[in-house]
Amino acid sequence: AQKVTQAQTEISVVEKEDVTLDCVYETRDTTYYLFWYKQPPSGELVFLIRRNSFDEQNEISGRYSWNFQKSTSSFNFTITASQVVDSAVYFCALSVGGYQKVTFGTGTKLQVIP
Amino acid sequence: DGGITQSPKYLFRKEGQNVTLSCEQNLNHDAMYWYRQDPGQGLRLIYYSQIVNDFQKGDIAEGYSVSREKKESFPLTVTSAQKNPTAFYLCASSTPRAGRDYEQYFGPGTRLTVT
Repeated sequence: AQKVTQAQTEISVVEKEDVTLDCVYETRDTTYYLFWYKQPPSGELVFLIRRNSFDEQNEISGRYSWNFQKSTSSFNFTITASQVVDSAVYFCALSVGGYQKVTFGTGTKLQVIP
Repeated sequence: DGGITQSPKYLFRKEGQNVTLSCEQNLNHDAMYWYRQDPGQGLRLIYYSQIVNDFQKGDIAEGYSVSREKKESFPLTVTSAQKNPTAFYLCASSTPRAGRDYEQYFGPGTRLTVT
């Protein structure tokens, strides 16, 4: 069975601080995909990144960066110089054995205080 | 603009009534999904469909039904058999092939309240 753990339920930071959202996953499959989604107060989930199990390169996109480490089964997400617009719930997700089998974590609510 | 639309945004029903949630996509995606989200919880898969006229149960299908008569549409019916239907419902779609479109794209959601 697959499992995604986001141990941080809520995080509050002051604007311009850096923040890291943790994601730990469990699967016995060697081929899998990991995702991060952002859910702003409006409710719609917005896709941020996809990473497959064979690509451990870290990725940077503007103020966002992702650290994928298979040795620790983690796929952490860092926001640099946080802004109020980053306030949202962030979900980590795992897909194994086909696109339909997506397991979501319980989400981390990030509040950026001006 | 391509995307997924869900209507209505808010829906109120009396207990014992069936209710149908709409989901339409113009992304030309083959696969569509319904998720349920409860406060403080992640998304749980209700039903998914890979092609027209075919669909499979997800993890929490009891009390729900779907149809997929058109590629663009995947309506979800919440029946009176669903014991706790009040929740936020999200529809998603994806293209079932490896590559850039592997991820799922979501609609704005429908918040259903049953009293």
